[in-house]
Amino acid sequence: DAGVTQSPTHLIKTRGQQVTLRCSPKSGHDTVSWYQQALGQGPQFIFQYYEEEERQRGNFPDRFSGHQFPNYSSELNVNALLLGDSALYLCASSLGVTTDTQYFGPGTRLTVL
Amino acid sequence: AQTVTQSQPEMSVQEAETVTLSCTYDTSESDYYLFWYKQPPSRQMILVIRQEAYKQQNATENRFSVNFQKAAKSFSLKISDSQLGDAAMYFCAYRRTSYDKVIFGPGTSLSVIP
Repeated sequence: DAGVTQSPTHLIKTRGQQVTLRCSPKSGHDTVSWYQQALGQGPQFIFQYYEEEERQRGNFPDRFSGHQFPNYSSELNVNALLLGDSALYLCASSLGVTTDTQYFGPGTRLTVL
Repeated sequence: AQTVTQSQPEMSVQEAETVTLSCTYDTSESDYYLFWYKQPPSRQMILVIRQEAYKQQNATENRFSVNFQKAAKSFSLKISDSQLGDAAMYFCAYRRTSYDKVIFGPGTSLSVIP
């Protein structure tokens, strides 16, 4: 049973560039949530996708956008990168929007220079 | 707004001993879920244990158990017979029942001394 997978593992970008991160949910899961984890901090919720729509959003600017595909995989896009966007980006999947347990992927480490 | 606090940035424990990690949270909800997640250096966030607020019985998972005090809004994690593989960041987390957003605390770094 495949767990949550994310790609790429690491990514280096420069300020002003755009980046796309990808996530495949755990088999059988249909809901994907994205989190940003700055170094030494707990993860912060970015947004959640269910049925190809953004269902919830955290306190992140519009530079952060996403998409969910019919196969439930998801992308996180960040435009106009800032140095402060450097972080570990975690994807979590669950079944439905009200199930209590999320399963996390290994994350993508984004470094903005 | 809900918040989660972990007052111990770092903890250490001797191998085979017991350690307790503290967590407090703030919410006005009566039904919710609480979690402890473990994040080793590999970065993978692993669910350790979950607690449903409407259940008075404390959750246990093998060597891991919680002390859930709903009135005090306290949710501590006890690790018994600590092993070297328990060394990791531990995050306390809260989820309101009707939503799937998880709110994390700042984490506690646990070291296990051989």
